[in-house]
Amino acid sequence: DAGVTQSPTHLIKTRGQQVTLRCSPKSGHDTVSWYQQALGQGPQFIFQYYEEEERQRGNFPDRFSGHQFPNYSSELNVNALLLGDSALYLCASTPRTGAGITEAFFGQGTRLTVV
Amino acid sequence: AQSVTQPDIHITVSEGASLELRCNYSYGATPYLFWYVQSPGQGLQLLLKYFSGDTLVQGIKGFEAEFKRSQSSFNLRKPSVHWSDAAEYFCAVATRSNDYKLSFGAGTTVTVRA
Repeated sequence: DAGVTQSPTHLIKTRGQQVTLRCSPKSGHDTVSWYQQALGQGPQFIFQYYEEEERQRGNFPDRFSGHQFPNYSSELNVNALLLGDSALYLCASTPRTGAGITEAFFGQGTRLTVV
Repeated sequence: AQSVTQPDIHITVSEGASLELRCNYSYGATPYLFWYVQSPGQGLQLLLKYFSGDTLVQGIKGFEAEFKRSQSSFNLRKPSVHWSDAAEYFCAVATRSNDYKLSFGAGTTVTVRA
């Protein structure tokens, strides 16, 4: 079991550019959540995808958007990058058991640097 | 407002000594509680979780945590730390009313001295 995989591991972008980050969930998981972790802070919830739709959203601007594919993998897109978007972006996956709370498994993250 | 507080930003402990990391939460609903560990540049690894039942939970790497509803706390403990325990530790809370999304504290950095 490969667990949650994210790509790329690192990237550098220029202000104003757009970026796409990718996540493959753990085998058997169909729900993907994205988190932003700024340096020295805890992760902040961006949004969650299930059945190819955004189900929940945190306090992030519309520049942050996502997508989920039929195979449950997901993308996070950020438009018009700002210096403040520099962070570690974490993907987490969970199974949608219908029983409520389950354990989230995290990927290793993508380190985005905006210059 | 709903929040997760980790009062200690940085803790230094000697190898072999005991460790306790504090976590307090402010949620009206029944909380589901987690502790995660993050090594530098890495993702998050779950140490332990509390959903219901026995309020003292055992996790991986010799960690345990105790849920105290009256104190709104979920403190993490380890009786004897190893140099490999040096990392950042995050407490997280989820509730049914928030559709189980995780809210994290700011983290506690643990340094282990020889």
